[in-house]
Amino acid sequence: DGGITQSPKYLFRKEGQNVTLSCEQNLNHDAMYWYRQDPGQGLRLIYYSQIVNDFQKGDIAEGYSVSREKKESFPLTVTSAQKNPTAFYLCASSMYGGQLTLHFGNGTRLTVT
Amino acid sequence: KNEVEQSPQNLTAQEGEFITINCSYSVGISALHWLQQHPGGGIVSLFMLSSGKKKHGRLIATINIQEKHSSLHITASHPRDSAVYICAVSVNRDDKIIFGKGTRLHILP
Repeated sequence: DGGITQSPKYLFRKEGQNVTLSCEQNLNHDAMYWYRQDPGQGLRLIYYSQIVNDFQKGDIAEGYSVSREKKESFPLTVTSAQKNPTAFYLCASSMYGGQLTLHFGNGTRLTVT
Repeated sequence: KNEVEQSPQNLTAQEGEFITINCSYSVGISALHWLQQHPGGGIVSLFMLSSGKKKHGRLIATINIQEKHSSLHITASHPRDSAVYICAVSVNRDDKIIFGKGTRLHILP
């Protein structure tokens, strides 16, 4: 079955450590996205990529980095520069690159203490 | 002011009741999405609308472009409908998507 796989589901890190969240899709979608979800807030876009080896900052990119070396993979690194990293992170992909047909992964809940 | 507003924020109802969740937006859009987020966190796309009305099983979504308003209805609600329902809009000018804060629905047996 085609879909988006995020791993791990839960992740715990100490403050000051970088951590990488995995996102893999087998839908053959060109565009991939990372969102952050905080309690009581809508999803906010961190980074997106519409093609391999290219990506753009979203609304809240500070303290995060991404890479897109393969079409199927779009890992997100939460760096120690991110002031409030504890959140629920969702990866999504789209066929047309215009966010019109989004498919979501099941998310990774990151806790930094 | 948020560009996408949902109401109510929380809704508790008895099994079998007719449910309505509302979404208002203030930007020009190319499409509006209704999404469902289960307690585990994964999000599923329910509808994508640019005009009129769509129906899928017990779910109905409507949109009024002139009034910049959409509703999601659930008929004969069931406890398994308990989830967070999220309204999102695809913005005309830059293909951006803006998400509402979600409506938490709890259906009691």
